[in-house]
Amino acid sequence: QKEVEQNSGPLSVPEGAIASLNCTYSDRGSQSFFWYRQYSGKSPELIMFIYSNGDKEDGRFTAQLNKASQYVSLLIRDSQPSDSATYLCAVKVLSQGNLIFGKGTKLSVKP
Amino acid sequence: DVKVTQSSRYLVKRTGEKVFLECVQDMDHENMFWYRQDPGLGLRLIYFSYDVKMKEKGDIPEGYSVSREKKERFSLILESASTNQTSMYLCASSLYRGGYTFGSGTRLTVV
Repeated sequence: QKEVEQNSGPLSVPEGAIASLNCTYSDRGSQSFFWYRQYSGKSPELIMFIYSNGDKEDGRFTAQLNKASQYVSLLIRDSQPSDSATYLCAVKVLSQGNLIFGKGTKLSVKP
Repeated sequence: DVKVTQSSRYLVKRTGEKVFLECVQDMDHENMFWYRQDPGLGLRLIYFSYDVKMKEKGDIPEGYSVSREKKERFSLILESASTNQTSMYLCASSLYRGGYTFGSGTRLTVV
């Protein structure tokens, strides 16, 4: 059973701090990794993807991938109250076309 | 930007009714997916399709069927709606190696 694990939270950080969201996956055949943001009552929105080991930065967001440890993370710098949402980690395995989702981490950024 | 359109934002149906949820994407994506999302259970894959007239069962296909007669349209059918099918239904599309683009979701209530 291919699994993607996330801490459900809630993760609470003060405004301006760095929020660190973590995700582990079970299948070493995983090739692509995605982070989605989902506001309450809304559908998930893709915010980052990463394919190679290392860091990938986009504005205030940095995705980090360590395939040896089967670990992917999302850092949000200078967190804002508008970042308060549930963040879903998703993994694509080479042999499958569908993504495998974690259950999400709820982030709360306090003003 | 890819747009994925779900025909209804909110639906209320009676137990035993046949329910059709429609999804249309406008970017010629090969892959289309239907998920349901429930609190604490995350996103669960119902059915997916890699091509016209092709369908594959996901993790929870019981009580559902799908139709893909045209590449841009993927329909989810609840053959005889039951109260345990009350949920948020999310359609998504993707290219083979890419992440998903989700529709805005349909919140279905079965009474």
